[in-house]
Amino acid sequence: ETGVTQTPRHLVMGMTNKKSLKCEQHLGHNAMYWYKQSAKKPLELMFVYSLEERVENNSVPSRFSPECPNSSHLFLHLHTLQPEDSALYLCASSLRTSGGVDTQYFGPGTRLTVL
Amino acid sequence: DQQVKQNSPSLSVQEGRISILNCDYTNSMFDYFLWYKKYPAEGPTFLISISSIKDKNEDGRFTVFLNKSAKHLSLHIVPSQPGDSAVYFCAASGRTGGSYIPTFGRGTSLIVHP
Repeated sequence: ETGVTQTPRHLVMGMTNKKSLKCEQHLGHNAMYWYKQSAKKPLELMFVYSLEERVENNSVPSRFSPECPNSSHLFLHLHTLQPEDSALYLCASSLRTSGGVDTQYFGPGTRLTVL
Repeated sequence: DQQVKQNSPSLSVQEGRISILNCDYTNSMFDYFLWYKKYPAEGPTFLISISSIKDKNEDGRFTVFLNKSAKHLSLHIVPSQPGDSAVYFCAASGRTGGSYIPTFGRGTSLIVHP
């Protein structure tokens, strides 16, 4: 499989459930990202793993927990979510080079609905 | 405060005509700009980019213009085709001193009518 893949594509969960989103990139990139896209809002960066460093948006609630076991895989663990967390969650990857440009390649997203 | 603004949420154009999508930014540290295209139920796909050392970059039917003094960029699609109907996101990043992670606008939904 090529590019950036995400599973599942759709997820419905209750507020007490625990679930995980998975992302895999087959592009040889060294940085991976989680974004949240809510209706009529800009893409919101949640987490970045780049060159073994983790960067996070401080406004992301602790009920979202990322995990990056290697440069090709990225997870987003979800627990005790709220209905307002319903959104499209996008994974992206890029090739970070010193002083180079950073073009991100996105997966198809996971459409999450929290009941 | 939004650093990348796409003030037109939607744009409707006739097939064969020019589509012009606009984007404004406020952070003077941004020096690299990208346009992404997104179809429903898919992730954004990279379309075209421009570095601040240029004022124009062209790729087939797509041209991006950058006006650094006005902190404004635009994407021109000529001629527009129905398959171009999608949401277009503008993004900006700063390789020197700023953040390499792009900041995205809210997107503009383009509809090209046959």
